[in-house]
Amino acid sequence: DAEITQSPRHKITETGRQVTLACHQTWNHNNMFWYRQDLGHGLRLIHYSYGVQDTNKGEVSDGYSVSRSNTEDLPLTLESAASSQTSVYFCARATDEAFFGQGTRLTVV
Amino acid sequence: AQSVTQLGSHVSVSEGALVLLRCNYSSSVPPYLFWYVQYPNQGLQLLLKYTSAATLVKGINGFEAEFKKSETSFHLTKPSAHMSDAAEYFCAVRRGGTSYGKLTFGQGTILTVHP
Repeated sequence: DAEITQSPRHKITETGRQVTLACHQTWNHNNMFWYRQDLGHGLRLIHYSYGVQDTNKGEVSDGYSVSRSNTEDLPLTLESAASSQTSVYFCARATDEAFFGQGTRLTVV
Repeated sequence: AQSVTQLGSHVSVSEGALVLLRCNYSSSVPPYLFWYVQYPNQGLQLLLKYTSAATLVKGINGFEAEFKKSETSFHLTKPSAHMSDAAEYFCAVRRGGTSYGKLTFGQGTILTVHP
């Protein structure tokens, strides 16, 4: 969905480094989400936010954090990247249904 | 707690044949159910959704799904497969009400369409 922009689209980082994935939406929606996609697991919820200054943990939040300082952006930070965090990450906005960005493929070496 | 099981990680059909992708869910409250499609290197696109209105839901690209509470199923069908339907399909569930975007996904089913 062109309304949700994720950057970068691809990133390679080293174990132990801090990494931030960007998510920007142009619809001024309060509800934003981060998922990771892994083979055999579908998508799993990492963190979500229902508005500015609101953040919540999802199913697989360990090692990740988010911040919400404005309505448009929900950056996802990996505090100390681990090989287990190699994945494809999707940002989404949602009301009754969810709309996803194009994804960021992160490789931790 | 909710869960979703997609039966069959890979489904292969011939062009023009019926497509049937199976999804069973578990939910302690009336669910909202969704089917998404993902083409290679792209995000997820919503095919259709069930939100407690009609049990037979029609979506985009000729797909439809039927909510069967007694069977806890929400199978996706298309009468005649097209080559362009080749993709990965995900079934997802969430609680009703204001739990927007908090989806539980199945493992996905890769659909292959043969000429």
